[in-house]
Amino acid sequence: EDQVTQSPEALRLQEGESSSLNCSYTVSGLRGLFWYRQDPGKGPEFLFTLYSAGEEKEKERLKATLTKKESFLHITAPKPEDSATYLCAVQPPHLLTQGGSEKLVFGKGTKLTVNP
Amino acid sequence: DTGVSQDPRHKITKRGQNVTFRCDPISEHNRLYWYRQTLGQGPEFLTYFQNEAQLEKSRLLSDRFSAERPKGSFSTLEIQRTEQGDSAMYLCASSHPGDPYEQYFGPGTRLTVT
Repeated sequence: EDQVTQSPEALRLQEGESSSLNCSYTVSGLRGLFWYRQDPGKGPEFLFTLYSAGEEKEKERLKATLTKKESFLHITAPKPEDSATYLCAVQPPHLLTQGGSEKLVFGKGTKLTVNP
Repeated sequence: DTGVSQDPRHKITKRGQNVTFRCDPISEHNRLYWYRQTLGQGPEFLTYFQNEAQLEKSRLLSDRFSAERPKGSFSTLEIQRTEQGDSAMYLCASSHPGDPYEQYFGPGTRLTVT
């Protein structure tokens, strides 16, 4: 069974205190790894897609990296508005017997709180 | 706003009743997905459409659940004979044929079964 594990479950930072969130996965033949941000009571907001080990992407204070077994979301000098739950998801390889799988498999998320 | 829209945003129903949710994807997005999310969990995949064809269904989608996308535009998700365990956020997402892996989510429909 494909699994995505995110750590820590919750993280409290002071404004300006940089840190990293971790997403480890057991999927082999990964087709893509995705990071989303989710605010309470809202749908996930797309942040990044990573396709191959060594790839990095940046957006404002966020930087996502990918290795063969895990991904990191680095948050540099966070602000209170960065407080949210950050979700990691993977897209498993095509299942030949079913002609393909387009689902995303999500982790449980890391709840980030940034205090002013 | 040209994002994914869902209606209603909240639904409270009594156990045993039927409910139907609607999702309107982003214009020109030919793929549409339904997910379910419970408190403290990530979204779980339910089903997926490419245009009007339903191409994949999760084992989570019991016989009481049915989804349609009759003209390849909006989609509906119906739950028959609701149970308390159906209480969750139902999320819809869509993706563009040029970037099929990037799924954009709507705000969700919060279902509470009493």
